Order: sequence, then structure tokens, then C-alpha cells
Amino acid sequence: SAVISQKPSRDICQRGTSLTIQCQVDSQVTMMFWYRQQPGQSLTLIATANQGSEATYESGFVIDKFPISRPNLTFSTLTVSNMSPEDSSIYLCSVRFSGPYNEQFFGPGTRLTVL
Amino acid sequence: DAKTTQPNSMESNEEEPVHLPCNHSTISGTDYIHWYRQLPSQGPEYVIHGLTSNVNNRMASLAIAEDRKSSTLILHRATLRDAAVYYCILSNTDKLIFGTGTRLQVFP
Repeated sequence: SAVISQKPSRDICQRGTSLTIQCQVDSQVTMMFWYRQQPGQSLTLIATANQGSEATYESGFVIDKFPISRPNLTFSTLTVSNMSPEDSSIYLCSVRFSGPYNEQFFGPGTRLTVL
Repeated sequence: DAKTTQPNSMESNEEEPVHLPCNHSTISGTDYIHWYRQLPSQGPEYVIHGLTSNVNNRMASLAIAEDRKSSTLILHRATLRDAAVYYCILSNTDKLIFGTGTRLQVFP
């Protein structure tokens, strides 16, 4: 299993600024992902965070807007850049040990409000 | 990723069994069927998964049709804590792509 913590748990930010969200896992994991959940909606996968290389982004998400780092097997950051009110969402970190049959674990999320 | 179809919402009374259906007619032979649930104000949590055979764990049972084009998540005795959005997801890669899920309401 894996226990995930995220910082901050919530934040209120001004339009045009950037926020970096941290994700820390209590064990080394193969796969790390970032999801977004807009109000009242399901989860949308933003990207897969790759250790030591550039993240793999899903359609509709770009590195300039959502830069991601993953310096090691237990830590990743997601930055939401040049924020607008449309970025107000919950951002969730998720991890998985490699294999489509393995359980995926989710962090508690970071609730972001952009004014 | 193959698509799943779930009812938007379902209701149950406490201590009754709940059968949550999921249709996945375009499932491929290598797709695993995963179920996750999201309790209010929490991240999703794993419920159960299977490939071809029915599966049981302490939380639920997963019944998979013989042709694998549908599956049913069974909660044997619903509790108020089971009120959540339940997601049925097909995956043959390391990624999970969420659909809209079924919102389950449980009444005392």
C-alpha cells in the first residue's frame, strides 16, 4: 500500500499567479499521476509524472500550464501556472505500482480557488 | 481506453444489498475491470478489480459476465458510509481514466 500526503491542502490564489502543489509518498512507487477534479465533475488525468524525465501529458494539457517535476520515486510537484478562475479545482496526486492489475492510491487532494 | 456505461445514480436502504451495474461492450481481452469509489470530500479509493472470474474481498464482490461485456459490483449490506460515487474503469495500461460514475445514496 501507499500513503500519500499533499501540500497545501487548500489555497486561494489571485488570477495570474502560480501555485506549486507537492505530493509525498511513504514508499517508492513506479507510477505517479496528477488528476484534476472540477466542481461536481469526475476526475480528469492531467499527466503521468516520470522520474528523471519530462512528464507525459494527456490531451488538452500542456507543460507550460502544468509543469511537473519528479526528482525521485517518492516525490512530485505540480505547478498550476498563470492561473485563471477556470483553474479552480481539486488537484489529486495518485500513485501505482506498475501493472494494470495493481491498485491505485490517491492523495487527499488540494482544493484550489482562483479569484 | 474502452468506454464504460453506468447509471447516473442509484438508491438503497441501509443493510440491504446493492448491485451496481456497468456495461463495457467494447472491452478488449487484456482490459482489467476496476472499481473505485469516492466518498464525499475524499480522494478515490480502490474497491475491487477483476479480469475474467468473479472476485470477492472484504469490501465487495465483483460479478463479471461470461462474455465480459458487463459487470456488477455487489455491496452485500449497504451502510451509510457506502454513500459515494462508484466508478467502473477498464484499463490495460498503468493509467486509470475515470468516467462519470454512479452516485449511490443510502437511506437509514
